[in-house]
Amino acid sequence: DAGITQSPRHKVTETGTPVTLRCHQTENHRYMYWYRQDPGHGLRLIHYSYGVKDTDKGEVSDGYSVSRSKTEDFLLTLESATSSQTSVYFCAISEGDTIYFGEGSWLTVV
Amino acid sequence: AQKITQTQPGMFVQEKEAVTLDCTYDTSDQSYGLFWYKQPSSGEMIFLIYQGSYDEQNATEGRYSLNFQKARKSANLVISASQLGDSAMYFCAMREGRDAGKSTFGDGTTLTVKP
Repeated sequence: DAGITQSPRHKVTETGTPVTLRCHQTENHRYMYWYRQDPGHGLRLIHYSYGVKDTDKGEVSDGYSVSRSKTEDFLLTLESATSSQTSVYFCAISEGDTIYFGEGSWLTVV
Repeated sequence: AQKITQTQPGMFVQEKEAVTLDCTYDTSDQSYGLFWYKQPSSGEMIFLIYQGSYDEQNATEGRYSLNFQKARKSANLVISASQLGDSAMYFCAMREGRDAGKSTFGDGTTLTVKP
C-alpha cells in the first residue's frame, strides 16, 4: 500500500462538462502519474509529474490537463468531457523499479 | 517506440497446475525493466514481479517467476500451483528508460483457474 487515494471513485457526467479527478498520497512521493484503462486494454499514460509544478505529457494527453500545487495532490482535469473519455483512471506513484497504483476512478461520460 | 505484445487474450488452467503467460517486447533501449501486474475483477492493479534488463537471473516472487529470454525479447510469467484466486487479468509492462512510472502496457491476458 503506497498510501494513494483517488476521488471520486465513481462519477457519471455529461458531455461537455469539466471534470476533475484527485489523487492524494501521504508518503511524500515526488513522482506521480495518471493512466487510463479502456475495456479490454492495458493502461496508457496521460500525464506525469516529477514534483510541485513540474508536469509533462504522456502518450494520450489530448483533452486532459493536470496540476500539482502540493506534493501530496495530483489533479487530472478533463476540460470538456467527451464520450471517448469514458474510462477507468488510475493514479500511480513510482518507487525504485516499481509503480504502485491507486484503486482507480470509474468515469462515465454520457 | 516501445511495444508490448501479449498474444493470449484468454487462458485456462486447472487448479494446482502451472501456467505460462506470454509477453514479448520491442525496444531499442539497452536499459529497461519488465513488470507483471495482476488485475482481479475488483479492478485494482497489483504488482507481481520485476525483471531488469541487466539482471542475469530470472526473477522469482513466491509462486511467480519471470522467464526472461533477452535474445528472444520475451518475458513470460510462470505461475506455479495455480489457485482459484489467481483468476484475473494479467498485464505485462515495460518501463521507459529509468522511470518506472512511464511504462508501456500490453493488452493483457485473462486467466481462468478451473477447480
